[in-house]
Amino acid sequence: DAGVTQSPTHLIKTRGQQVTLRCSPKSGHDTVSWYQQALGQGPQFIFQYYEEEERQRGNFPDRFSGHQFPNYSSELNVNALLLGDSALYLCASSYLPGAHNEQFFGPGTRLTVL
Amino acid sequence: GENVEQHPSTLSVQEGDSAVIKCTYSDSASNYFPWYKQELGKRPQLIIDIRSNVGEKKDQRIAVTLNKTAKHFSLHITETQPEDSAVYFCAGGYGSSNTGKLIFGQGTTLQVKP
Repeated sequence: DAGVTQSPTHLIKTRGQQVTLRCSPKSGHDTVSWYQQALGQGPQFIFQYYEEEERQRGNFPDRFSGHQFPNYSSELNVNALLLGDSALYLCASSYLPGAHNEQFFGPGTRLTVL
Repeated sequence: GENVEQHPSTLSVQEGDSAVIKCTYSDSASNYFPWYKQELGKRPQLIIDIRSNVGEKKDQRIAVTLNKTAKHFSLHITETQPEDSAVYFCAGGYGSSNTGKLIFGQGTTLQVKP
C-alpha cells in the first residue's frame, strides 16, 4: 500500500520563474492539502482540494494555485517565484476533507529560489 | 482566530526519563488534535491524535491528554529512547465536516541523551 508520494524531491529555481509540484495521495484517500514549511517552522496551510475543487485556502497570494485530477492526485503551481518561497512543500492526503480527518504527509519537495 | 501555541521550543532529557510537551489552542478549533514527529529531512509522521470526546489516549509509551476547559493538550512520552529525538509538532484541526485544515504549533525539538 503506497503512502503519499511527491515529486520532485528537490528543485532549484531563480526569482521570477514558475514551478509545478506534484502529489499522489495515499491509496483510498480522496483529499489533498498543501502546506509550506519554512526552515525551523511548523507547516503552514496553503489550500485543500477535494472533488477537483479548491475547498479552503490559507493566507497565501494568488501566485499559489493548484489543481486536482480525477485520480485524486494534485499539483501545486507557484508563479513569479520570490526568494521567500524557498521552503519544504508538503502535501497531505486524507479520506474526505473534514477538519476531524487524519492527514498523512508526503516526503515533501525542497524548493530553493536563487 | 486560529492559533496553536506550543511549549517548550527545546527539551533535553536523559534516556529513560519522561518528556512532556504542551499546546494551547484558540476557541475555533474543531476538537481534533494530532501530534506529528518529524525527523531531520523527513516527512511529519502522525504519531497520535485525540478528539474532544475523550480526555486521554495512550499508545504504548506515548499518551495525549486534552483539557477542553483550559483549551490545552499535552503529549507525554515515557521511558524515552534516543530514537525519540526529533521535532514534535502539535496541531489543531480547524474548519468543518466539509473542509478542514491543520494549524500547527511552532514545534519542540526533543533531544534524548543516552
